[in-house]
Amino acid sequence: NAGVTQTPKFRVLKTGQSMTLLCAQDMNHEYMYWYRQDPGMGLRLIHYSVGEGTTAKGEVPDGYNVSRLKKQNFLLGLESAAPSQTSVYFCASSYPEAGADTQYFGPGTRLTVL
Amino acid sequence: SQQGEEDPQALSIQEGENATMNCSYKTSINNLQWYRQNSGRGLVHLILIRSNEREKHSGRLRVTLDTSKKSSSLLITASRAADTASYFCATFRWDNYGQNFVFGPGTRLSVLP
Repeated sequence: NAGVTQTPKFRVLKTGQSMTLLCAQDMNHEYMYWYRQDPGMGLRLIHYSVGEGTTAKGEVPDGYNVSRLKKQNFLLGLESAAPSQTSVYFCASSYPEAGADTQYFGPGTRLTVL
Repeated sequence: SQQGEEDPQALSIQEGENATMNCSYKTSINNLQWYRQNSGRGLVHLILIRSNEREKHSGRLRVTLDTSKKSSSLLITASRAADTASYFCATFRWDNYGQNFVFGPGTRLSVLP
């Protein structure tokens, strides 16, 4: 199993450009998440999905959109990139059992917006 | 707002010593988890402790949870250079808006050979 994979690994954008980050998991997990990690801030949840066709906002959703058309894929879109969106983006997935929710993380995408 | 806050922010110890990291949080939780992140990599789950548990062990890891003080600690015994990484606590709970999964800013652990 590949686990959780992210595409691309690195990307540089100019302000105002758009892009889509792809997350894929082969563990048949129901839940998927997108986080951003900034120095000294830990991880902050952008959006998450509890199943195919569903999405929900996290702590910092503004400026991002997501889609979960297939169970194994979770896409994160930036319609008009801003320098404040320079960050490392992590995708995670989980198969929550009652009272527990362990997340499996991808390797991250380092995004720079100039 | 940050739910989990780790303490200390950075810790440097000699190989063989024990490392203790603390995490405090603000609201009720379903469980608390600890993750490890090597430089430039994604997070890896280490251990989960449920709100009705007080202590849990996994190999050289020992986690405690005190819900009355809203705090947890992670102890790594007999540390090795390979334990050098950032360690994050994360609290998980269900609330009116759905899932609430919040990471702290992390503790950077350096184990010197």
